[in-house]
Amino acid sequence: SQQGEEDPQALSIQEGENATMNCSYKTSINNLQWYRQNSGRGLVHLILIRSNEREKHSGRLRVTLDTSKKSSSLLITASRAADTASYFCATEDDKIIFGKGTRLHILP
Amino acid sequence: GAGVSQSPRYKVAKRGQDVALRCDPISGHVSLFWYQQALGQGPEFLTYFQNEAQLDKSGLPSDRFFAERPEGSVSTLKIQRTQQEDSAVYLCASSLAHLDTEAFFGQGTRLTVV
Repeated sequence: SQQGEEDPQALSIQEGENATMNCSYKTSINNLQWYRQNSGRGLVHLILIRSNEREKHSGRLRVTLDTSKKSSSLLITASRAADTASYFCATEDDKIIFGKGTRLHILP
Repeated sequence: GAGVSQSPRYKVAKRGQDVALRCDPISGHVSLFWYQQALGQGPEFLTYFQNEAQLDKSGLPSDRFFAERPEGSVSTLKIQRTQQEDSAVYLCASSLAHLDTEAFFGQGTRLTVV
């Protein structure tokens, strides 16, 4: 089963631009996490935001959470070629459930 | 170990064959998760353990799938009588605590059933 739904499914932007990905989910959560997956490799944890938090920053990443709308967004500022990857939101109540992901492609 | 280790990295099985996939979590991690990821899709939850207890196996697709973690450390995912639809990457993850901590993923086992 998949709880989160990322939007858009795919995104191509020029290097240096900002990339925004959105995630909507259905049920109550303890926290929401974002992960990155490079082609053919395992998932890497990016950031965790708890249900009582509204915004969190980590380096070039900014995550927001709106529990009333059951949605989250991930902003990557000043994108780089190395940011090309798939990005997944994952919600946690008692287990971690992933969405289908956004495939981000940074154009040189 | 330094990270979550999965073996084998690649497995080709003939339809009907039984397979066993191994996961070595990070030492001391309480929670262990198994996911199935089809090409171009997100990881689908299969099952999870807290120490040796299997707390949720609602994602296992059929009774051909079985997972165990007998000593609360290494886990094995077994698939009996493999079918072509079982072809996927099987990901294992571990986390230090039950909730509110990041999960660390292994590189996965790519299973191809022919």
